[in-house]
Amino acid sequence: GNSVTQMEGPVTLSEEAFLTINCTYTATGYPSLFWYVQYPGEGLQLLLKATKADDKGSNKGFEATYRKETTSFHLEKGSVQVSDSAVYFCALKDGGYNKLIFGAGTRLAVHP
Amino acid sequence: DAGITQSPRHKVTETGTPVTLRCHQTENHRYMYWYRQDPGHGLRLIHYSYGVKDTDKGEVSDGYSVSRSKTEDFLLTLESATSSQTSVYFCATIPDRGGNEQFFGPGTRLTVL
Repeated sequence: GNSVTQMEGPVTLSEEAFLTINCTYTATGYPSLFWYVQYPGEGLQLLLKATKADDKGSNKGFEATYRKETTSFHLEKGSVQVSDSAVYFCALKDGGYNKLIFGAGTRLAVHP
Repeated sequence: DAGITQSPRHKVTETGTPVTLRCHQTENHRYMYWYRQDPGHGLRLIHYSYGVKDTDKGEVSDGYSVSRSKTEDFLLTLESATSSQTSVYFCATIPDRGGNEQFFGPGTRLTVL
């Protein structure tokens, strides 16, 4: 079946450092891909998405490119802030009814 | 924001007791979902609904049942809670206009002793 694999965390960075969180997927066809973010004590919220190969999703300085050749959707940000500290989830759309399959999540901690 | 509320927000119960969690949405969305969040597993789908009285099982449905008698409410029931069901439970909906984005509620932290 379809699945999502994320790099294990936690990832600890200093403010203004470059961020990469790796995400790879296994799927039939080319499903829509998503990055969700969860701030402490809150539910998940959509960070960005890509619906077809070579699409680039972007939001709040974060970017991810849908790479079908490497079945990857890595999340990047050029300069992280303390306020980016959160848990990040990669997900893919799984078949009908808009169901999602999530990766295990990667915790990011950014220090001043 | 899809106007999703969950109740209760926190609950502690004992093994073998029944528990019902409620998800309420104000946007009249057709699709609703229940997930559980556990360390190392991300979010896993328990059940989902695609309309009133239309529900189906997700990846981890054993020990859970759901009901949807009104568009705005999606109930998750643990008939006889076990310690393995200690988790954070999230409800989500998706707007009927499309776009694939799921909106999540604030979560319910359930502890089964």
